[in-house]
Amino acid sequence: EIVLTQSPGTLSLSPGERATLSCRASQSVSSSYLAWYQQKPGQAPRLLIYGASSRATGIPDRFSGSGSGTDFTLTISRLEPEDFAVYYCQQYGSSPRITFGGGTKVEIK
Amino acid sequence: EVQLVESGGGLVKPGGSLRLSCAASGFTFSNAWMSWVRQAPGKGLEWVGRIKSKTDGGTTDYAAPVKGRFTISRDDSKNTLYLQMNSLKTEDTAVYYCTTSPPGGAFDIWGQGTMVTVSS
Repeated sequence: EIVLTQSPGTLSLSPGERATLSCRASQSVSSSYLAWYQQKPGQAPRLLIYGASSRATGIPDRFSGSGSGTDFTLTISRLEPEDFAVYYCQQYGSSPRITFGGGTKVEIK
Repeated sequence: EVQLVESGGGLVKPGGSLRLSCAASGFTFSNAWMSWVRQAPGKGLEWVGRIKSKTDGGTTDYAAPVKGRFTISRDDSKNTLYLQMNSLKTEDTAVYYCTTSPPGGAFDIWGQGTMVTVSS
């Protein structure tokens, strides 16, 4: 099973600042089958990024994903008030076992 | 409108059983791979299992903690996904989400979740 480790656990930033979230895999994620999700309190997760770098439908371009192999990054170029949430990475290439990272909380400083 | 609506959650005693349902609308359910994902209170996301479309074999896969106790099935004529949960444990307490993906893809549609509490 591929283990995903996200860092930092919590990121304290101000609106307008840049956020950089990391996701490291215990082994290579095949074909960049790496996704990022945003979850706000009391809501279901929302897909942001798939294939490591492709934005899902309706996702603003301030969200970008990069990386390959075992190291992936989600960048939010300028934080908007609605971006403060928990972010999860997920690998879906190591079929049949799909795994999520432990999450990074982006909170208002 | 594309939508997934879960139902069937509730309070059950350890060792008991529960069946969750997920009603789909607004997309071609029969072509979709469907998964269940759960989230224990205050914790992260955990994939529970998946069922492929019948055209892709209709096979199921499960996470290790639920394998042998949980069964995922689908009724394409009713656009409905099911999760049969047996031999429930207190650690199965969670919000259970139904989600879908293109074949082999990321989870692009999620339901609102249904709460399952396993307690004596």
